Amino acid sequence: KQEVTQIPAALSVPEGENLVLNCSFTDSAIYNLQWFRQDPGKGLTSLLLIQSSQREQTSGRLNASLDKSSGRSTLYIAASQPGDSATYLCAVHGSEKLVFGKGTKLTVNP
Amino acid sequence: ETGVTQTPRHLVMGMTNKKSLKCEQHLGHNAMYWYKQSAKKPLELMFVYSLEERVENNSVPSRFSPECPNSSHLFLHLHTLQPEDSALYLCASSQERDSALGQFFGPGTRLTVL
Repeated sequence: KQEVTQIPAALSVPEGENLVLNCSFTDSAIYNLQWFRQDPGKGLTSLLLIQSSQREQTSGRLNASLDKSSGRSTLYIAASQPGDSATYLCAVHGSEKLVFGKGTKLTVNP
Repeated sequence: ETGVTQTPRHLVMGMTNKKSLKCEQHLGHNAMYWYKQSAKKPLELMFVYSLEERVENNSVPSRFSPECPNSSHLFLHLHTLQPEDSALYLCASSQERDSALGQFFGPGTRLTVL
């Protein structure tokens, strides 16, 4: 059974810092991995999707990497801003099902 | 409207009520999903529909009854719910059931059961 773990559970940083969110998964037989953003009480916004054959994806200040063999992914956020404050969810797609981690709650302080 | 929409956004109901949640996707996708998000727990997949056929039911209690009348609409009918069913219910869609392009989510319905 696939299990997804995200560390840390919560993170508070001053504005302008570069930061890394971590995601690990137990079963490396995956199709892809998706990073989502969720604002309080809202739905999920897809940030980046990495196919199993890819190593990384970039979108603006966001960079996600995937090391399938070790079961790890990282989301790198450059020059963080208060508007980046949200919960970031990692989801692994394998065996036709999307399995989510519990998320990392990020607070960027002005 | 674009993307995935859900109505209502908030719902408060008693344990004896019957209500329905609605999801609509405007992306031309063939697969739709219901997820439950409870406090401090990961999102849990409830149901999967592919081409209007239910292909997965993750041991969800029968007080939750999904319906997919066409590929653009998905309903979740609720009856005799329990307070522990209070959660954020999210609908998602994807091109196909195991799409390499990922899933797209709606804003969710915040359900409170009194």
